[in-house]
Amino acid sequence: NAGVMQNPRHLVRRRGQEARLRCSPVKGHSHVYWYRQLPEEGLKFMVYLQKENIIDESGMPKERFSAEFPKEGPSILRIQQVVRGDSAAYFCASSRQGSGYNSPLHFGNGTRLTVT
Amino acid sequence: KQEVTQIPAALSVPEGENLVLNCSFTDSAIYNLQWFRQDPGKGLTSLLLIQSSQREQTSGRLNASLDKSSGRSTLYIAASQPGDSATYLCALSLSGSARQLTFGSGTQLTVLP
Repeated sequence: NAGVMQNPRHLVRRRGQEARLRCSPVKGHSHVYWYRQLPEEGLKFMVYLQKENIIDESGMPKERFSAEFPKEGPSILRIQQVVRGDSAAYFCASSRQGSGYNSPLHFGNGTRLTVT
Repeated sequence: KQEVTQIPAALSVPEGENLVLNCSFTDSAIYNLQWFRQDPGKGLTSLLLIQSSQREQTSGRLNASLDKSSGRSTLYIAASQPGDSATYLCALSLSGSARQLTFGSGTQLTVLP
């Protein structure tokens, strides 16, 4: 009975490289959310996706960041040309239902990105 | 813009004590409020979810209350145990953006044996 699975748990990238973070939602969940937790700060919403669609990306930086949730396979958060300020914990959450419902979000254990 | 504040930032109590964690918010047009627990290096575990029409929810030794008019929620932990040591986060979803949670910065709880 797996929960939200994120990999890798830890990722180290040099400035300018690309980071790819993967998230497999709870089985049967078709709604995925990405949050970022910067050091000494609270979690901030980035993007909400449903299968093959981006529903709300209002919290995602306009440049270098992209997210997808294909019909098959995990959701991917991609950060191109990483900078030191991208170092953070990135959490994925999933739910069975989307907006308008009160079912709780289930969070993964996060990917801790370190940019050197 | 919704702001969520959790006070205190850190709390240390002896085992067995009852305690209350506080969460305040500025926009009362909320859809629901969730309390989460975060252990070091781990993800978030949902503890309780209170819908906007509800005033409280209970699960075991935990009780969460919601007072929208005053912009406050409390998480009550009865008979605290060392295993309760963690960071507790409250998060709100606003009406109209029910899946975009706004988090407080958390209260780091330490229960001393």
